[in-house]
Amino acid sequence: AQSVTQPDIHITVSEGASLELRCNYSYGATPYLFWYVQSPGQGLQLLLKYFSGDTLVQGIKGFEAEFKRSQSSFNLRKPSVHWSDAAEYFCAVGRSTGTASKLTFGTGTRLQVTL
Amino acid sequence: DAGVTQSPTHLIKTRGQHVTLRCSPISGHKSVSWYQQVLGQGPQFIFQYYEKEERGRGNFPDRFSARQFPNYSSELNVNALLLGDSALYLCASSLSGGAKNIQYFGAGTRLSVL
Repeated sequence: AQSVTQPDIHITVSEGASLELRCNYSYGATPYLFWYVQSPGQGLQLLLKYFSGDTLVQGIKGFEAEFKRSQSSFNLRKPSVHWSDAAEYFCAVGRSTGTASKLTFGTGTRLQVTL
Repeated sequence: DAGVTQSPTHLIKTRGQHVTLRCSPISGHKSVSWYQQVLGQGPQFIFQYYEKEERGRGNFPDRFSARQFPNYSSELNVNALLLGDSALYLCASSLSGGAKNIQYFGAGTRLSVL
């Protein structure tokens, strides 16, 4: 069965500092990978996705992620964090099973930004 | 364009009661999925509906059921509520049912079971 691990439950960075959120997945085939962000009281917003091709993908709000098959990782990065980036970040694997398709999420990383 | 809309926003129920949550997908989207997000956890897949048919079900008891209407809106029903059903219930819509289709999420319904 597929699984997603986000090793860091909580990360604190200073505004303007760089950010890297870790994500490791377990899945037999080439995965469809996603990063979502959830602000308090909000639903999930898609930051970026990877299906195939270039392993470095760009997303919204200045985020990027790199797919590394050898490490089963899909880490999210941002060069300079803004206070508004404080939120919960979820990595997810998408797959089809039979007639269904679903997302399997990690437990999330809560990002705190200090001024 | 309107995004995925869910109602109600918040709900308080007592153990043993029944609850119905509603979801309207983005216009043109034919697939709706439901997820349960317990505090401190990532969302867990409950159901997927596509073209009004159930396409998949997660590891949830039969107390959970859902349906999709001809206008592609959807309802999630939970019977005999337990304290452990307290969670944020998220609805997501996508154009079709495949795994490459982006799922767009609503803001969720916060259910509290007392």
